[in-house]
Amino acid sequence: SQTIHQWPATLVQPVGSPLSLECTVEGTSNPNLYWYRQAAGRGLQLLFYSVGIGQISSEVPQNLSASRPQDRQFILSSKKLLLSDSGFYLCAWAKYRNYGYTFGSGTRLTVV
Amino acid sequence: QQPVQSPQAVILREGEDAVINCSSSKALYSVHWYRQKHGEAPVFLMILLKGGEQKGHEKISASFNEKKQQSSLYLTASQLSYSGTYFCGTGDRDDKIIFGKGTRLHILP
Repeated sequence: SQTIHQWPATLVQPVGSPLSLECTVEGTSNPNLYWYRQAAGRGLQLLFYSVGIGQISSEVPQNLSASRPQDRQFILSSKKLLLSDSGFYLCAWAKYRNYGYTFGSGTRLTVV
Repeated sequence: QQPVQSPQAVILREGEDAVINCSSSKALYSVHWYRQKHGEAPVFLMILLKGGEQKGHEKISASFNEKKQQSSLYLTASQLSYSGTYFCGTGDRDDKIIFGKGTRLHILP
């Protein structure tokens, strides 16, 4: 069966520090991968999505970037965090087009 | 363009029915519905792909009117476990899902 792993679960980082969040999917190949951010009490904002290795599409211009170095690995990064980067970061995958998303357990990031 | 969900919040007693609406100003290729419990990740409920299509999941069903660019989620005889925030997500031709702001549903015993 397919599983999605996301870590760390919680993170407290100072303003200006770098960020690296990792997401991996097991039990499938060539998944579509997504990064979403959810601010406290808010909806889900699409940040990046990828349909294959090295293929990244950005939805919101900001100081975040994403990479997909391997088929089932998706990484969210930042060189310098801002206070506004705080939130609940969720990785998701879908096997095919028009398939339901499966979300990871999320990373709760607090920038202080 | 973010879909608009209504109502923003609903309080029901166990056993009552609820309808959550989702509308978009853009042409829709798909509509997803998810439920999120507090502090947890959203969980997929169902996806609708065609105009007028309806789907069911236990006592939860949904409809999708492609022409009106609207979808509705129906919760019948609600249970305590139905509490949470419900999100609709609208899919474009690239299969990116843009989510609405959510509808908070609270079921009272």
